[in-house]
Amino acid sequence: EAAVTQSPRNKVAVTGGKVTLSCNQTNNHNNMYWYRQDTGHGLRLIHYSYGAGSTEKGDIPDGYKASRPSQENFSLILELATPSQTSVYFCASGDRNNQAPLFGEGTRLSVL
Amino acid sequence: GDQVKQSPSALSLQEGTNSALRCNFSIATTTVQWFLQNPRGSLMNLFYLVPGTKENGRLKSTFNSKESYSTLHIRDAQLEDSGTYFCAALMPNYNVLYFGSGTKLTVEP
Repeated sequence: EAAVTQSPRNKVAVTGGKVTLSCNQTNNHNNMYWYRQDTGHGLRLIHYSYGAGSTEKGDIPDGYKASRPSQENFSLILELATPSQTSVYFCASGDRNNQAPLFGEGTRLSVL
Repeated sequence: GDQVKQSPSALSLQEGTNSALRCNFSIATTTVQWFLQNPRGSLMNLFYLVPGTKENGRLKSTFNSKESYSTLHIRDAQLEDSGTYFCAALMPNYNVLYFGSGTKLTVEP
């Protein structure tokens, strides 16, 4: 069954610490995406990838890095976490035409 | 950004009534998608649209590419329809979805 799995589901981090959010998809999709969701803003695109080894900047990439080591895995990295990065993060995967992308269940991150 | 604007931002309906949500696009898009985020936070695909209309049960969606808008009609609203509805436009050259800020729908008995 097609799936996008995010880990961890919840994370509390300290300001200045490093945080890695992981995403795994079993759909053999080329494209993967990281969004964050904040009240009043809907989902905003942070980074995306067209395939293994590829990472592209979205609308709000500052403070985030991404890594796509394989077709299945796409990570979002906060090298120096800040309280403004407290949010819910969603990973998604899609085919070339992005039809019906599949979303993970989200990761709730709190940076204290 | 402001590529996708949704209205209204919040809506309250009585059970059994009808309503429509709207998205306006300021980017050239060839496809539109509608999602429902349930109260637990999970995102569910509702529609994937090229210009035209699709219907699924009590939901119907239309995408008018010439006038750059899409609508989602809800007929005979039920309590389980409550949640936040998002539309998203595909930016063709980059194959990424841009989301609106959502419409929070509450259906009341």
